[in-house]
Amino acid sequence: EPEVTQTPSHQVTQMGQEVILRCVPISNHLYFYWYRQILGQKVEFLVSFYNNEISEKSEIFDDQFSVERPDGSNFTLKIRSTKLEDSAMYFCASGGETYEQYFGPGTRLTVT
Amino acid sequence: AQSVTQPDIHITVSEGASLELRCNYSYGATPYLFWYVQSPGQGLQLLLKYFSGDTLVQGIKGFEAEFKRSQSSFNLRKPSVHWSDAAEYFCAACTTSGTYKYIFGTGTRLKVLA
Repeated sequence: EPEVTQTPSHQVTQMGQEVILRCVPISNHLYFYWYRQILGQKVEFLVSFYNNEISEKSEIFDDQFSVERPDGSNFTLKIRSTKLEDSAMYFCASGGETYEQYFGPGTRLTVT
Repeated sequence: AQSVTQPDIHITVSEGASLELRCNYSYGATPYLFWYVQSPGQGLQLLLKYFSGDTLVQGIKGFEAEFKRSQSSFNLRKPSVHWSDAAEYFCAACTTSGTYKYIFGTGTRLKVLA
């Protein structure tokens, strides 16, 4: 069964550094998403991406964040200058025509 | 504003007992509804989903959920809980148009007593 993959599984970075989280969505999906989950809290929507552009973003998704689908297969989330409060689990998801989203296993980002 | 509410933060049940986890939604129109389970440090596993049709949906691991439009609810049930069901359970909803972003509830942590 096809699945969404994410790399790395765990990323440790220093405050102020740039990080790129990578995702490989399911190949024939059209909708791509990033969510985050701060430890002990609920999963929050960050951004959705369709037709090579952002279709919606949340208040959390400020100028420090960007997304890209550089080569038609990968889907990346970049945080330009990380802050302590960016420490969280980041989930990538992709969806096809049935609106069901398939989630990746997540990348745990730790900012020190 | 669209929202999903899970009123119970923690629930403790004995192994073999029945379980019901509550979920209420607030949307302009009936959304698509989902239940996910998350074990500690793990990702999200889809238990079941409701798009339309039969209001009682069956999922994996013996779970079922009932959609009640009049109560804006989508409660998750299991007739007999196993110790391995201990985890966090998230209800989620998405609109039937637009970006289909998911809105998650705050989760219910289930503890199972032996």
